[in-house]
Amino acid sequence: GAVVSQHPSRVICKSGTSVKIECRSLDFQATTMFWYRQFPKQSLMLMATSNEGSKATYEQGVEKDKFLINHASLTLSTLTVTSAHPEDSSFYICSARDPGQSRGVTGELFFGEGSRLTVL
Amino acid sequence: AQKITQTQPGMFVQEKEAVTLDCTYDTSDQSYGLFWYKQPSSGEMIFLIYQGSYDEQNATEGRYSLNFQKARKSANLVISASQLGDSAMYFCAMREGRGSARQLTFGSGTQLTVLP
Repeated sequence: GAVVSQHPSRVICKSGTSVKIECRSLDFQATTMFWYRQFPKQSLMLMATSNEGSKATYEQGVEKDKFLINHASLTLSTLTVTSAHPEDSSFYICSARDPGQSRGVTGELFFGEGSRLTVL
Repeated sequence: AQKITQTQPGMFVQEKEAVTLDCTYDTSDQSYGLFWYKQPSSGEMIFLIYQGSYDEQNATEGRYSLNFQKARKSANLVISASQLGDSAMYFCAMREGRGSARQLTFGSGTQLTVLP
């Protein structure tokens, strides 16, 4: 089946630095990717929808200048956390839509392994 | 209002027994999809089962079945013959409207622990 890969799986950085997380679709072209954030013991909250070749659509309350999303190709979307602070420490997970899946909506959304960010 | 409600923060089940994880949803759309995902401690999201709003039969995938009660707006997950490896966080999710490009909205999750 379709595979989505995230890198890095874990990252520790100092406060004030920027961190880039990559989300790649390995065997399909993803026109749309979604970025979620998950705090410990909590649910996944959608941060933004990343569309190839156009600007990302951010959910209400998500700072687009802080969480930069770039979807420059059909297989790669990146999330950059700029000037990270300890409160940005979280689990970030992406998902991608495979438009080639034939089984309706069931198999079209695939998740990456997630990236755990710790800001010191 | 919460779109997806999972009222059981934690559940325990004896190995080999069946367990039901509750999920209720709220939408005004006629077309929607309901999903269940498993998230082990490693963090990845594993798709388990899907139910479309127009599907007349309850979805089944191996040991997983979805008890879909449209009038009650509930989509409970039933896991039969629980295994130790089923211990994980389980999320119910919904996608509203037509078009697969729409995002999923997740419930708060249920932590399932299978006891030996």
